[in-house]
Amino acid sequence: KQEVTQIPAALSVPEGENLVLNCSFTDSAIYNLQWFRQDPGKGLTSLLLIQSSQREQTSGRLNASLDKSSGRSTLYIAASQPGDSATYLCAVRPGDSSYKLIFGSGTRLLVRP
Amino acid sequence: DADVTQTPRNRITKTGKRIMLECSQTKGHDRMYWYRQDPGLGLRLIYYSFDVKDINKGEISDGYSVSRQAQAKFSLSLESAIPNQTALYFCATGNGEQSPDTQYFGPGTRLTVL
Repeated sequence: KQEVTQIPAALSVPEGENLVLNCSFTDSAIYNLQWFRQDPGKGLTSLLLIQSSQREQTSGRLNASLDKSSGRSTLYIAASQPGDSATYLCAVRPGDSSYKLIFGSGTRLLVRP
Repeated sequence: DADVTQTPRNRITKTGKRIMLECSQTKGHDRMYWYRQDPGLGLRLIYYSFDVKDINKGEISDGYSVSRQAQAKFSLSLESAIPNQTALYFCATGNGEQSPDTQYFGPGTRLTVL
């Protein structure tokens, strides 16, 4: 059974710091991995999606990497800003499913001014 | 206007009451999903629907039922609410033919069962 773990559960950093959020999964047979941002009252917003054949994806100050063989993904946020404060969720799509997403429990990030 | 809307946004109810959460989408997607999120846990799939006539149970369907009234509408019902159904509920849509595929989430409904 696929399990997704995110460490740390919470993180507080000063503005401007570069930071890394971690996601690990137990079964390397995945179709893709997705990082979401969750803001209170606004649902989930997809940030980056990495297909199983890819190693990384970048969008602005965000860079997500995927090491499928070791069951790990990282989300790197450069030059963090207070507006980055949110909960970040990773989710994997199992290789045998066209729809199922297995979510981690998230990392709650606070960027202090 | 938001592509995926949920009503109500917040609801407090009592044990034993029947509750319906509604979801509407304007994205034209065939696939719709209902998830619940509990503190410290990831989202878990309750029900999903690939089209109006195709409805399937997810990981945690006990105590819930759904209705797909149209391509754009997917409702979740709690037949007799209990306190451990207190959670944040999300509706999502998806286009299974899209590459890369992704799911689009509504803003969530916070349900409290007393």
